[in-house]
Amino acid sequence: AQSVTQLGSHVSVSEGALVLLRCNYSSSVPPYLFWYVQYPNQGLQLLLKYTSAATLVKGINGFEAEFKKSETSFHLTKPSAHMSDAAEYFCAVRTGSARQLTFGSGTQLTVLP
Amino acid sequence: KAGVTQTPRYLIKTRGQQVTLSCSPISGHRSVSWYQQTPGQGLQFLFEYFSETQRNKGNFPGRFSGRQFSNSRSEMNVSTLELGDSALYLCASSTLAGTPQETQYFGPGTRLLVL
Repeated sequence: AQSVTQLGSHVSVSEGALVLLRCNYSSSVPPYLFWYVQYPNQGLQLLLKYTSAATLVKGINGFEAEFKKSETSFHLTKPSAHMSDAAEYFCAVRTGSARQLTFGSGTQLTVLP
Repeated sequence: KAGVTQTPRYLIKTRGQQVTLSCSPISGHRSVSWYQQTPGQGLQFLFEYFSETQRNKGNFPGRFSGRQFSNSRSEMNVSTLELGDSALYLCASSTLAGTPQETQYFGPGTRLLVL
């Protein structure tokens, strides 16, 4: 079975500050991990994905995530938050035996001026 | 290349009615998946279709069904609507079926309100 836990349903940061959104996964086999962003009244947009090629993954809009097997984590970071980053972020996992994505509960990011 | 499109974007129905939602995948994509998003349950997988065949199904009652056409367009149907079916229904398409590293591209969703 596969599962994802996102710590912190709401995160607030000041504009220009570091963004850190936490994601821990549970999987008995090597996972494939994804981060998606959802803006109000829109669908999900892929930020980045881990497919075992490299543990540090760079995505769009300056986001990156590091896969740490020992910590079963895939935290999302961005060095400097921008007002336009305010949205809901979802971590998702898929393993080799599963066709569907299993999502975390999401983290709502607020960027304060 | 056009993205995933979903119609209609908004729907209001009453309990007991049925509803059909439509999804057109990205051109060349043959796999279509459906997800339900609610504030209480989050994002939950409904089913996946590939080449007109349902390949995978989530834990939803039989009132939820779907199909895929030869042009890869997909529809999902919910019969005997309940208040709890109010949700954002998201469709996602991908090029390959069954490869774990494939990216699923999501449409804007159909927001269904059941009164």
